[in-house]
Amino acid sequence: GAVVSQHPSRVICKSGTSVKIECRSLDFQATTMFWYRQFPKQSLMLMATSNEGSKATYEQGVEKDKFLINHASLTLSTLTVTSAHPEDSSFYICSAGAGGRVADTQYFGPGTRLTVL
Amino acid sequence: AQKVTQAQTEISVVEKEDVTLDCVYETRDTTYYLFWYKQPPSGELVFLIRRNSFDEQNEISGRYSWNFQKSTSSFNFTITASQVVDSAVYFCALSEDLYNFNKFYFGSGTKLNVKP
Repeated sequence: GAVVSQHPSRVICKSGTSVKIECRSLDFQATTMFWYRQFPKQSLMLMATSNEGSKATYEQGVEKDKFLINHASLTLSTLTVTSAHPEDSSFYICSAGAGGRVADTQYFGPGTRLTVL
Repeated sequence: AQKVTQAQTEISVVEKEDVTLDCVYETRDTTYYLFWYKQPPSGELVFLIRRNSFDEQNEISGRYSWNFQKSTSSFNFTITASQVVDSAVYFCALSEDLYNFNKFYFGSGTKLNVKP
């Protein structure tokens, strides 16, 4: 089946630094990718929808200048947490859809655990 | 408004007991998908089932079964003869807007503890 990878799986950084998380679709082209955030013992919350070649659409309450999303190719989307702070510590999960009847073909990555000291 | 409600925050059962996880959803779309995912401690979401809004047939897969009832907007998940390995957080999810952005709305999750 289709596979979505994320890199890194874990990252620890100092407050004020920026962190980039990659999401790749390994064996299919993803016209749309989604970024979710999950706080401990909570549900996944959609942060933004990323379409290849266009600007991401952010959910209400998500700061687009803080969470920069780039979907430069059909197999790669990146999420950059800029000037990270401890409250940004979370589990970030991406998913990728192949287009068309997207609901049939959305696959989730294994997640990236970000810890900001 | 919450689109997917999982009222059970945490359930504890003893191995071999049957357990049902409830999911109630809300949507105005006539075409939508419902999903169940398992999230073990490792964090990776494990896909369990997808159901479209036109298919109300119940489904059984081994010890897992799903009861989809549009009349009550529910999509409940039953594990028969539970095992310790079933311990995880289970999420119900709804997908609308199939031909555009396909947003997923997740419920708050139910943590299942299966004790030996």
